Amino acid sequence: DAKTTQPPSMDCAEGRAANLPCNHSTISGNEYVYWYRQIHSQGPQYIIHGLKNNETNEMASLIITEDRKSSTLILPHATLRDTAVYYCIVRVGGSNYKLTFGKGTLLTVNP
Amino acid sequence: GAGVSQSPRYKVAKRGQDVALRCDPISGHVSLFWYQQALGQGPEFLTYFQNEAQLDKSGLPSDRFFAERPEGSVSTLKIQRTQQEDSAVYLCASSPGTGRSDEQFFGPGTRLTVL
Repeated sequence: DAKTTQPPSMDCAEGRAANLPCNHSTISGNEYVYWYRQIHSQGPQYIIHGLKNNETNEMASLIITEDRKSSTLILPHATLRDTAVYYCIVRVGGSNYKLTFGKGTLLTVNP
Repeated sequence: GAGVSQSPRYKVAKRGQDVALRCDPISGHVSLFWYQQALGQGPEFLTYFQNEAQLDKSGLPSDRFFAERPEGSVSTLKIQRTQQEDSAVYLCASSPGTGRSDEQFFGPGTRLTVL
């Protein structure tokens, strides 16, 4: 699986959009971008995933650049409960099963 | 419905003791995973089951680590002769299909401290 690079930490004001970047410059054509988050003392939680098109669900939006070398996870209206470590994971679709986590980005949402 | 549950949530062991960590996956989930998470790090893959078959144990750090899922539901991770470097949070996850591209549902983890 391709390696990802994320900033170690970010801050966001409550109610504002949180934009979390991820670089995956060595991504292959059949690799998906996944995002999970881990709130303190809990297990990781799936957020969203995509291949090349932008994706949106009830939790977040995922924007993938046209060359697929980077992506951004957007939490449109961050709340204090969104404070967590966010992991960007690149994973081959359909043939790989284990998740390879990096260190992620600690997002702190401030009141 | 109920999510993935793990027990105990916390375990303190003296160096050299054996421990057993339990995972109850979501009912009907075919795939089950164990991960190890050291302090300040992301989770690292240990092993993978599809029903009762252990298809991948490449992440187990030593032969002191053993996992089983005899009836294809509940799984146990056993660590023999625990060492201080085994101190970590052990996470269990399950997914409904064969795990290929499926969302994985994680339990809260068991925090193991070896003194």
